[in-house]
Amino acid sequence: DAGVTQSPTHLIKTRGQQVTLRCSPKSGHDTVSWYQQALGQGPQFIFQYYEEEERQRGNFPDRFSGHQFPNYSSELNVNALLLGDSALYLCASSLIPGQGYEQFFGPGTRLTVL
Amino acid sequence: AQKVTQAQTEISVVEKEDVTLDCVYETRDTTYYLFWYKQPPSGELVFLIRRNSFDEQNEISGRYSWNFQKSTSSFNFTITASQVVDSAVYFCALSEPWNSGNTPLVFGKGTRLSVIA
Repeated sequence: DAGVTQSPTHLIKTRGQQVTLRCSPKSGHDTVSWYQQALGQGPQFIFQYYEEEERQRGNFPDRFSGHQFPNYSSELNVNALLLGDSALYLCASSLIPGQGYEQFFGPGTRLTVL
Repeated sequence: AQKVTQAQTEISVVEKEDVTLDCVYETRDTTYYLFWYKQPPSGELVFLIRRNSFDEQNEISGRYSWNFQKSTSSFNFTITASQVVDSAVYFCALSEPWNSGNTPLVFGKGTRLSVIA
């Protein structure tokens, strides 16, 4: 049973560029959430996708956008990259509806913006 | 507003010692869920436990145990007879019911545990 997978593992970009990160949820899961984890901090929620729609969004600018495909996989896009966007980007999958659902996390994509 | 505080930034213990990681949370809801995750150097967050607010029973799983006390809004995590493989960053997190699902996880800043052989 495959867990949550993310690609790429590492990425280096320069300021102003655009980046796309990809996530495939755990088998049987239909909801994908994205988190940003800066160095030495806990993960911060970016947004969540369910039924191909953004259901919830954290306090992130519109430069951060996403998409969910019919097979439940998801993409995170970041435009006009800033140095402060350098972080580990984590994807988590879960089942909705469900109370107190457990989220399964992928290994993350480490983005470095120079 | 939801908030999770892990006051211990870093802890270092010698192998076989017991260690407790503290977690204090804030929420206005009477129904909520608390979690602990482990993040080894590889970066992937590994789920350890989920506890709902109506279940105050303490839980033990092997060398791991959790103490949930609503009166003090705390959900502490104890590792007994620590091992080098326990070295990681540990996160406490909170979630509340929202519509048909839950609010996203709100994480503390984590506690880095180093177990020295």
